[in-house]
Amino acid sequence: SQTIHQWPATLVQPVGSPLSLECTVEGTSNPNLYWYRQAAGRGLQLLFYSVGIGQISSEVPQNLSASRPQDRQFILSSKKLLLSDSGFYLCAWRRGGWVGTEAFFGQGTRLTVV
Amino acid sequence: SQQGEEDPQALSIQEGENATMNCSYKTSINNLQWYRQNSGRGLVHLILIRSNEREKHSGRLRVTLDTSKKSSSLLITASRAADTASYFCATDARGGGTSYGKLTFGQGTILTVHP
Repeated sequence: SQTIHQWPATLVQPVGSPLSLECTVEGTSNPNLYWYRQAAGRGLQLLFYSVGIGQISSEVPQNLSASRPQDRQFILSSKKLLLSDSGFYLCAWRRGGWVGTEAFFGQGTRLTVV
Repeated sequence: SQQGEEDPQALSIQEGENATMNCSYKTSINNLQWYRQNSGRGLVHLILIRSNEREKHSGRLRVTLDTSKKSSSLLITASRAADTASYFCATDARGGGTSYGKLTFGQGTILTVHP
């Protein structure tokens, strides 16, 4: 069966510090991968998506970047965090040939920038 | 952009009652999905309805889709305290591979079911 791991679960970081959030998927190959951010009590905003190794597309200009060094690994990074980067970050995957398929989400990372 | 909008933003009911949540969207879609999120957790897929379907059932869930009105509704029958969560609709835009499976989520409905 497929599983998705996302860590850490919570993170408190000072302004100006770097960030690295990791997400890995097991039990499938060549998934489409996504990073979403959720503000408190709000819907999900798509940040990045990837359809293959090294292929990253950004949806929203911002202080963050993403990388996909391996087929089932997706990393969200920042060189210098801003207060506005605080939020709940969710990684998700869908099967390649995504039409009519569901998305599977990790448990999320609660990031607080202080 | 967040094209899905749920209504109401919050819903409070008693156990045993039915809960109905609505979702509106703006563009042509391939399918519409509903997800559930427990507080502070990831989203869990509930049900998917394709653009050529009008109604779909799964257990206590009933989803309708009206593409002419660009709207959908999720009905949870005989609600339980354990149904307390946020519920989101998400759309797959029509457009084939260029959309790369990017789901667009609404703002969600917070459902509270009182025992």
